[in-house]
Amino acid sequence: DQQVKQNSPSLSVQEGRISILNCDYTNSMFDYFLWYKKYPAEGPTFLISISSIKDKNEDGRFTVFLNKSAKHLSLHIVPSQPGDSAVYFCAAKEETSGSRLTFGEGTQLTVNP
Amino acid sequence: GAVVSQHPSRVICKSGTSVKIECRSLDFQATTMFWYRQFPKQSLMLMATSNEGSKATYEQGVEKDKFLINHASLTLSTLTVTSAHPEDSSFYICSASRASSPLHFGNGTRLTVT
Repeated sequence: DQQVKQNSPSLSVQEGRISILNCDYTNSMFDYFLWYKKYPAEGPTFLISISSIKDKNEDGRFTVFLNKSAKHLSLHIVPSQPGDSAVYFCAAKEETSGSRLTFGEGTQLTVNP
Repeated sequence: GAVVSQHPSRVICKSGTSVKIECRSLDFQATTMFWYRQFPKQSLMLMATSNEGSKATYEQGVEKDKFLINHASLTLSTLTVTSAHPEDSSFYICSASRASSPLHFGNGTRLTVT
């Protein structure tokens, strides 16, 4: 049972344009969401997070939007840069579960120069 | 800089042998570490939660006798894949939680069982 789903395995955008990565979840107990970025043969690195009490969190070029009613979140990267090319994982957790995360399948983002 | 160190980064072993993977938290104490496994083009699947000084908590479907976890100190957790088989070939990643910050991950270990 995949509780966190990223339905797009890949996304390709032009440098300077906006990248939008999507994530859906089914577990209504999830109340904290994170995005991680992963390069090949490396572990994921934390990008940005959002608590369920918010609907938007922004950090530089990265913005995460949360729609609780739709159980949907998205990561916006603008402007996209070639160095952003990586696999992006959406993750979710319940406050009571400590640091135990449930990950989506990941989306391979390619930013073309 | 890196806050979680994982070693080795890559290991090739013969079927039937055991392999130990180390995960260290650098300059912070981690009472809890997590072990994940990733197959190609798939999600990171949580295998077990490693608790310092007590037994690990395994996820459903993960054989505790095959994937031995030891968390003997506040900065070190080890995962031993016992009697490895080709189907155990995968990318294993550990993570540790630092107070009031998101999970930090090691760089992973690519295990290939021949």
